[in-house]
Amino acid sequence: EVKLVESGGGLVQPGGSLRLSCAASGFTFSSYWMSWVRQAPGKGLEWVANIKQDGSEKYYVDSVKGRFTVSRDNAKNSLYLQMDSLRAEDTAVYHCARLDYGAYVRTFDFWGQGTLVTVSS
Amino acid sequence: DIVMTQTPLSSPVTLGQPASISCRSSQSLVHSNGNTYLSWLQQRPGQPPRLLIYRVSNRFSGVPDRFSGSGAGTDFTLKISRVEAEDVGVYYCMQGTQWWTFGQGTKVEIK
Repeated sequence: EVKLVESGGGLVQPGGSLRLSCAASGFTFSSYWMSWVRQAPGKGLEWVANIKQDGSEKYYVDSVKGRFTVSRDNAKNSLYLQMDSLRAEDTAVYHCARLDYGAYVRTFDFWGQGTLVTVSS
Repeated sequence: DIVMTQTPLSSPVTLGQPASISCRSSQSLVHSNGNTYLSWLQQRPGQPPRLLIYRVSNRFSGVPDRFSGSGAGTDFTLKISRVEAEDVGVYYCMQGTQWWTFGQGTKVEIK
């Protein structure tokens, strides 16, 4: 069974930093692209970042470029999101998601429950 | 960015009756490789999103056959043939042709 469990969320002041983690199990982590997708309270979904299987390629939505950094540790089956210079508009539940990415399909096929990040003074 | 627009935003349905959700993209979702990367996701209350349909009409593993997807180009539809109580939630269309963007969501509730 595929499991994705996020941690590291919490309350942080504007301009502060936070590091999210996602522990993966039930599949060969090193064989998949991984992603972060966020959901502001009561709002829809927004893709945030992707990272390739070996970490050699990383992509971000424009609104977080230069502030967020996605990384992974395949030995630990873990995905990370370092968030710096946080703004109020970054307040959201952050979901870790497995990205099935290839010529045939490009979609998020498994999702974690998410961890809430609140940016407020 | 490709903007995804869903209608309706809310859909009260009688149990056992069909439901339909439309999704329109601001530009064609046909990729240069000929594939169309349109997915549908379900988010039940208090749960993370769950993949239902990928590449327009392919049901994901374990998804009941009462869910079906169709469409092409810029216009897509998710249909539930007979709504069950467990289908209550918010449904999102999502494109993966040019990065990834989502529709606003359609709330399906029981009348």
